[in-house]
Amino acid sequence: SQQGEEDPQALSIQEGENATMNCSYKTSINNLQWYRQNSGRGLVHLILIRSNEREKHSGRLRVTLDTSKKSSSLLITASRAADTASYFCATAFKAAGNKLTFGGGTRVLVKP
Amino acid sequence: DTGVSQDPRHKITKRGQNVTFRCDPISEHNRLYWYRQTLGQGPEFLTYFQNEAQLEKSRLLSDRFSAERPKGSFSTLEIQRTEQGDSAMYLCASSLTSGSYTGELFFGEGSRLTVL
Repeated sequence: SQQGEEDPQALSIQEGENATMNCSYKTSINNLQWYRQNSGRGLVHLILIRSNEREKHSGRLRVTLDTSKKSSSLLITASRAADTASYFCATAFKAAGNKLTFGGGTRVLVKP
Repeated sequence: DTGVSQDPRHKITKRGQNVTFRCDPISEHNRLYWYRQTLGQGPEFLTYFQNEAQLEKSRLLSDRFSAERPKGSFSTLEIQRTEQGDSAMYLCASSLTSGSYTGELFFGEGSRLTVL
């Protein structure tokens, strides 16, 4: 079964609004990564956060990690129509040979 | 372009036929992954290699699936006696991994399989 699960499954917002999505996982991790996928394309890496980090920023993206709750969140600020995509969290944990396993994703629609 | 490339991008086949997909990773990357993705779902792990060694194969994968990575360079994923349930996007990704650290994955554009 997939390690991480995203919430919500789908999100619809207006351009300029912020979008927040969450990821929960089950076991201790080495790191957690977020990816974006445009329809019919491959995945693109956004941010990697290590287990000893609590927050990370990249441009309009902010990722938090709470290892006590086994959860992470991805915030996209001032969203644009081009942010319309599916967003996936992926976890690497030692017990699984550090391979990356993906959640089911959050489908984000940003309306102009 | 020196990214991950996959071939073919699209494959339509009849049930019972064999298909093979090829993945060329970023040249200096030592780890290579195969994932399968169906519509509306996240990528499902199939198998991965560290150089030429296959480290793990998903228990969900039947014996009809086999993957190789000769000489630690390109990889092939073969599906024998295809079934309609094999219809999916097959994604390849590579990474530069040191010890127990798993870095970011670089994905190809995928190979879409349709089994009629």
